[in-house]
Amino acid sequence: GAGVSQTPSNKVTEKGKYVELRCDPISGHTALYWYRQSLGQGPEFLIYFQGTGAADDSGLPNDRFFAVRPEGSVSTLKIQRTERGDSAVYLCASSLGGGLETQYFGPGTRLLVL
Amino acid sequence: SQQGEEDPQALSIQEGENATMNCSYKTSINNLQWYRQNSGRGLVHLILIRSNEREKHSGRLRVTLDTSKKSSSLLITASRAADTASYFCATVAGGTSYGKLTFGQGTILTVHP
Repeated sequence: GAGVSQTPSNKVTEKGKYVELRCDPISGHTALYWYRQSLGQGPEFLIYFQGTGAADDSGLPNDRFFAVRPEGSVSTLKIQRTERGDSAVYLCASSLGGGLETQYFGPGTRLLVL
Repeated sequence: SQQGEEDPQALSIQEGENATMNCSYKTSINNLQWYRQNSGRGLVHLILIRSNEREKHSGRLRVTLDTSKKSSSLLITASRAADTASYFCATVAGGTSYGKLTFGQGTILTVHP
């Protein structure tokens, strides 16, 4: 079956602009995670959804970052007033349930803020 | 913030040799997982070891966990050029009921044909 997909693959934007990054999880997976990976670093947790609700958003760096999952499937990560420091690869992962099941990662969206 | 540190940061070996990567972490864990990443994009799950386990095998992979030392190692035996990638350990904190992962900084493995 299809894996986790993320669009766009690459996004170049200017400082101050608004961007949306989309994640399509594996069908039937109720848990969805967003991570951010800076160059040369491991991924860092941003937010976790169980169904439609954000169960843990402790990793969002500030209030410019927001994520939604209105129907419990597709999720959108939204970044307002982008800054150069937001440049990174944004990774999405999903898992079958809300527990400790294996997470399956998408290919990521590489965001570059000029 | 990064939970742990990985050692070495980079490893270069010849095909057929074994590769060992180490990971240390700071807090109690529910489980520890190893992931592979090619070309800085999607992560592939390799193996999970629970806090009450000491060793696990999967094909050419062997993982050990020492909770008293808060450390883990990943051994890849009989390496192949296709094993060239970055390898990350990731932990799920003890007492957590969901899979929030905290990653190390990774080891870059290069296997020369």
